[in-house]
Amino acid sequence: DGGITQSPKYLFRKEGQNVTLSCEQNLNHDAMYWYRQDPGQGLRLIYYSQIVNDFQKGDIAEGYSVSREKKESFPLTVTSAQKNPTAFYLCASSIDRSSYGYTFGSGTRLTVV
Amino acid sequence: AQSVSQHNHHVILSEAASLELGCNYSYGGTVNLFWYVQYPGQHLQLLLKYFSGDPLVKGIKGFEAEFIKSKFSFNLRKPSVQWSDTAEYFCAVKPSNDYKLSFGAGTTVTVRA
Repeated sequence: DGGITQSPKYLFRKEGQNVTLSCEQNLNHDAMYWYRQDPGQGLRLIYYSQIVNDFQKGDIAEGYSVSREKKESFPLTVTSAQKNPTAFYLCASSIDRSSYGYTFGSGTRLTVV
Repeated sequence: AQSVSQHNHHVILSEAASLELGCNYSYGGTVNLFWYVQYPGQHLQLLLKYFSGDPLVKGIKGFEAEFIKSKFSFNLRKPSVQWSDTAEYFCAVKPSNDYKLSFGAGTTVTVRA
């Protein structure tokens, strides 16, 4: 079945450490996205990528970095510069800029202690 | 940049009551509009979407939404809710010629049996 795989489901890190969240899709979608979900704030866009080797900052990119070396993969690194990294992170993909087919992963809950 | 506002943070209803969730957006151009639902412990799921044509859109599970361009609104409705409609509901907006999908803060709906 086609879909988005996010791993791991739960992740714990010590404060000051960088951590990378994985997102892989086998849908052959061009575009991929990272969102952060916090209670009462909905989903906020961190980064998105329209094609391989290209990505744009979203609304809350500070303290995060991404890469898009392969069409299938869009890893997100939460750096030590992110002041409040504990959150639920969702990866998504879409065929292109049209309205069709946004697919979301099951998410990774990151807890920084 | 576009923004999305959902009017209610938490709505509590009894079964068989009618539901209406408000959503307003700010963007000067043509938009595509979405409602997503997130049941407890599950992925985001698309309820319905609008990108052109009839402003009254019917979705899954008996939901519908009406796009009122003059009011920049896309309110979600269901005539008679069930206990299984307990979930968090998100309105989302995307400029029709762009990739960036922006979400509202979400409305938690609790349906009491």
